[in-house]
Amino acid sequence: DQQVKQNSPSLSVQEGRISILNCDYTNSMFDYFLWYKKYPAEGPTFLISISSIKDKNEDGRFTVFLNKSAKHLSLHIVPSQPGDSAVYFCAAQNTDKLIFGTGTRLQVFP
Amino acid sequence: GAGVSQSPRYKVAKRGQDVALRCDPISGHVSLFWYQQALGQGPEFLTYFQNEAQLDKSGLPSDRFFAERPEGSVSTLKIQRTQQEDSAVYLCASMERGMTSTDTQYFGPGTRLTVL
Repeated sequence: DQQVKQNSPSLSVQEGRISILNCDYTNSMFDYFLWYKKYPAEGPTFLISISSIKDKNEDGRFTVFLNKSAKHLSLHIVPSQPGDSAVYFCAAQNTDKLIFGTGTRLQVFP
Repeated sequence: GAGVSQSPRYKVAKRGQDVALRCDPISGHVSLFWYQQALGQGPEFLTYFQNEAQLDKSGLPSDRFFAERPEGSVSTLKIQRTQQEDSAVYLCASMERGMTSTDTQYFGPGTRLTVL
């Protein structure tokens, strides 16, 4: 039973355009969400987070939106750069652990 | 400063062998986590330490898996009598404080375990 879902396994975006990565969750008790980025042979690197008391959090080119009623969050990257090419994981904090989605592979092409 | 380090980075074991995976968290970090990441999946929680206390081991898949953090710093994940289904990347993460809603878990590079 997947509590955090990333339904798009891959996404391809042209450099300079917006990348939108989506994530859905099933447990309404989750109150803190994070996005991690992962390059091959490296561990996940923290990108940005959002608390359930907010609906938006912005950090430079990265913005996370949270829609609690829809149990949906999204990560926007504007403008996308080739160095953004990686696997992106959405995660929800549940007491003492993070529950991850299966990831979306983003490819940014010139 | 130094991040989370893990060793070895790669481990090949024959089925039935015991393995030990090491994690060095960021210095001074109170919390330490182990996750297992199978191919094509997201990391899945195994266990959590706050200092030397193992507060949650609900994610350990069987009694062949054992983790310790005896002095509240370095941690070791041990897998006894390895099976092919244990093949995965094992990730360690540390966090500055205990579990709060605003702290971030910082991950190491992982140990890729292959069981033949």
